[in-house]
Amino acid sequence: AQSVSQHNHHVILSEAASLELGCNYSYGGTVNLFWYVQYPGQHLQLLLKYFSGDPLVKGIKGFEAEFIKSKFSFNLRKPSVQWSDTAEYFCAVLTGGGNKLTFGTGTQLKVEL
Amino acid sequence: NAGVTQTPKFQVLKTGQSMTLQCAQDMNHNSMYWYRQDPGMGLRLIYYSASEGTTDKGEVPNGYNVSRLNKREFSLRLESAAPSQTSVYFCASSEGLGTGELFFGEGSRLTVL
Repeated sequence: AQSVSQHNHHVILSEAASLELGCNYSYGGTVNLFWYVQYPGQHLQLLLKYFSGDPLVKGIKGFEAEFIKSKFSFNLRKPSVQWSDTAEYFCAVLTGGGNKLTFGTGTQLKVEL
Repeated sequence: NAGVTQTPKFQVLKTGQSMTLQCAQDMNHNSMYWYRQDPGMGLRLIYYSASEGTTDKGEVPNGYNVSRLNKREFSLRLESAAPSQTSVYFCASSEGLGTGELFFGEGSRLTVL
């Protein structure tokens, strides 16, 4: 069965710092990759997704992620975080032909003023 | 737009009691899902429904039952609640299986004493 690993469980950054959250998956076939975000008190929402094509995908609020097939990774990046980016971030993978989205354990990001 | 609506938002049960979590979506989506979220474990799929009239087990179905009442509604039932079922439950919907783009409700926090 596929699995998704997010090694950073808690990240604390100051405003304007750069962000990179790691995500690795274990599946050798075709994958579709996602990042979801859960702001405090809100429901999960899609941040960005990768299906095919350009491995560098851009999402909402200045976030981007890069799919590196050789490393089985899909890391989330943002050049300059804001206080409002404080949230929990989940990486997820949908395997080829799969019906189910598998989520990682999440990374709590806290951005301090 | 309401999107995905879950009720109740909070519930406290005693061990052995039963309850049903209700979920409704107004986006005319075909597929619906129930996830549970536990600290350090991310989101795990309990059951899903590819389309009206079908339901399938996810990763952690034991102790739960579901009903896809119609295209809009997908309920989750705990027949005999156990403390291990203390969690936050999320309902989600998508246009179909395999899209990976899920729309989530706000969650239902369940405590079993």
